[in-house]
Amino acid sequence: DIVMTQSPESLAVSLGDRATIKCRSSQSLFYSSNKKDYLAWYQQKPGQPPKLLISWASIRESGVPDRISGSGSGTDFTLTISNLQAEDVAVYSCQHYYTVPYTFGQGTKLEI
Amino acid sequence: DVQLVESGGGLVHPGGFLRLSCAASGFTFRSHWMAWVRQAPGKGLEWVANINEDGTTTGLADSVKGRFTISRDNANSSLYLHLYSLSAEDTAVYYCARTGGQGDRWYPFDYWGQGTLVSVSP
Repeated sequence: DIVMTQSPESLAVSLGDRATIKCRSSQSLFYSSNKKDYLAWYQQKPGQPPKLLISWASIRESGVPDRISGSGSGTDFTLTISNLQAEDVAVYSCQHYYTVPYTFGQGTKLEI
Repeated sequence: DVQLVESGGGLVHPGGFLRLSCAASGFTFRSHWMAWVRQAPGKGLEWVANINEDGTTTGLADSVKGRFTISRDNANSSLYLHLYSLSAEDTAVYYCARTGGQGDRWYPFDYWGQGTLVSVSP
């Protein structure tokens, strides 16, 4: 199984500052035939289901503000949230969909 | 709007059985792979099972293989998860999720239900 490892486990950032969350996979998520990385990021607020933010490592879902961005390729990925707002307080998780079983990172708790 | 509404969770004794349902609306259900993902209290997300558009291909996590089955009813836009031989380790919120991208399993989960809680306790 592909192991997804996130860092840090928790992060406290001031309003207006930038938060950076890392995700590393135990094998490459890059599929050479279509040049895509099979990596997604989710945001989960307390008592709510996960919400898809980023797919294919860097493609924002509709309605996701452009201060949230994803980058990286292969085995190392980053979620960056700029100009942090109070509404960004949540747990953020990465997930691969390269093969089964799909696996998730353990989550990063973002606090103000 | 896409909606996924789970039901069927509850308190069950170890060794017991539950059937979870997910009612889908707002999209062409028969065109998407569907999945169940669970989250134990205070823990991360765990993919449990998925099923292809016509129900002929399924996948199960090793942790539930031989105990859980996934199925669907496209006529009623419904997804099911049958949970047998439950243990305390199966206690979790179970989410129904749609795989984005029609006709392909290799997409992230773009819509999720609110979840249904399964508690396994003596």
